[in-house]
Amino acid sequence: DADVTQTPRNRITKTGKRIMLECSQTKGHDRMYWYRQDPGLGLRLIYYSFDVKDINKGEISDGYSVSRQAQAKFSLSLESAIPNQTALYFCATSDAWTDSNQPQHFGDGTRLSIL
Amino acid sequence: GENVGLHLPTLSVQEGDNSIINCAYSNSASDYFIWYKQESGKGPQFIIDIRSNMDKRQGQRVTVLLNKTVKHLSLQIAATQPGDSAVYFCAERGYSTLTFGKGTMLLVSP
Repeated sequence: DADVTQTPRNRITKTGKRIMLECSQTKGHDRMYWYRQDPGLGLRLIYYSFDVKDINKGEISDGYSVSRQAQAKFSLSLESAIPNQTALYFCATSDAWTDSNQPQHFGDGTRLSIL
Repeated sequence: GENVGLHLPTLSVQEGDNSIINCAYSNSASDYFIWYKQESGKGPQFIIDIRSNMDKRQGQRVTVLLNKTVKHLSLQIAATQPGDSAVYFCAERGYSTLTFGKGTMLLVSP
């Protein structure tokens, strides 16, 4: 979905390095999410933000931090990368839950490899 | 991504067949369900959704069925095409976020 842009698309780095993954959206959505995808495990929620002043931990937040710089920008940081954080990372956005259906819309992911 | 499909259940069909992909969800309080398609190297793409007050919803070539009694969701794809080959995920909305299933890989042979 070109409305949700993730950078970089691929990154290889070394254990102990600090890494930032960035996400920007043009959909005008208030809510943004970071997921991790590992083979056979599906998508697992790391952090989410319902507006600029709201940050919430997801299922697997340990070892990660986030920053919501603006409505359109949500970045994910690995303060000291370790090999088991090697995975595909996805950013998603959605409008607020109302009585209408509001699916999440995903970027095309960042493939992160930690050596 | 290209490794997403490892270790996933796989459904293999011939082009033109109808496909049925199943999903068991966990939270009886979930009020909204979504099916996503993920192609290699891409992020999940929304296909169709359904709210818990419905049993069936149809889109273009796709139908979602919801059985709340047994907490089961299915995606039916009519006249499956090679371009339908992908990993398919269901997701359920419980309290404030979505929970995703592990996915099923659909392989369509010409």
